[in-house]
Amino acid sequence: GAVVSQHPSWVICKSGTSVKIECRSLDFQATTMFWYRQFPKQSLMLMATSNEGSKATYEQGVEKDKFLINHASLTLSTLTVTSAHPEDSSFYICSARVGPLNTEAFFGQGTRLTVV
Amino acid sequence: AQSVTQPDIHITVSEGASLELRCNYSYGATPYLFWYVQSPGQGLQLLLKYFSGDTLVQGIKGFEAEFKRSQSSFNLRKPSVHWSDAAEYFCAVGAVNDKIIFGKGTRLHILP
Repeated sequence: GAVVSQHPSWVICKSGTSVKIECRSLDFQATTMFWYRQFPKQSLMLMATSNEGSKATYEQGVEKDKFLINHASLTLSTLTVTSAHPEDSSFYICSARVGPLNTEAFFGQGTRLTVV
Repeated sequence: AQSVTQPDIHITVSEGASLELRCNYSYGATPYLFWYVQSPGQGLQLLLKYFSGDTLVQGIKGFEAEFKRSQSSFNLRKPSVHWSDAAEYFCAVGAVNDKIIFGKGTRLHILP
């Protein structure tokens, strides 16, 4: 199957700083990418949907100015957590899909963010 | 609104025993349904998916799931579990605007 690579796998940052997480589709072009957040022992909560070349669509309750998403190309999407706070500590997972809903969505391995 | 319910937070079975993980969904149209597995600290791997056609779907690692429209269910089954099957399992439904909505997950424990 196709591969989605997330980088970094884990990151520790200080409160008030910004952190960028990359999501790359390695062997296919992804027209749609999704960013999820997962709290410990909980499910994945969709944060936003991005389509290449257009603005991301954020889910209700997700601060778009805090979680900046850029779908720069058909193989790269980035999530920037701005002015991070300890409550932003979480596991962030991206997924990418090449076509409509009936094609498989491939998930990255996730990024563990810890804000101290 | 679309939603997915996994009523069992934890399931414990003995190695070699059969397994069934329950999933109920709420969706206004014919749903796209998925089962994913997640190992600790890892991303998700697709086990199987249902879009249309045969309601019994075969997946990887010996898993299968049956779509029952009348019960709004998509339960995951495996006839004989292995210790390596211990993980978190998520049922998901494809929703409008191409979103995928996940259930809360069921953690599977395997007894030796």
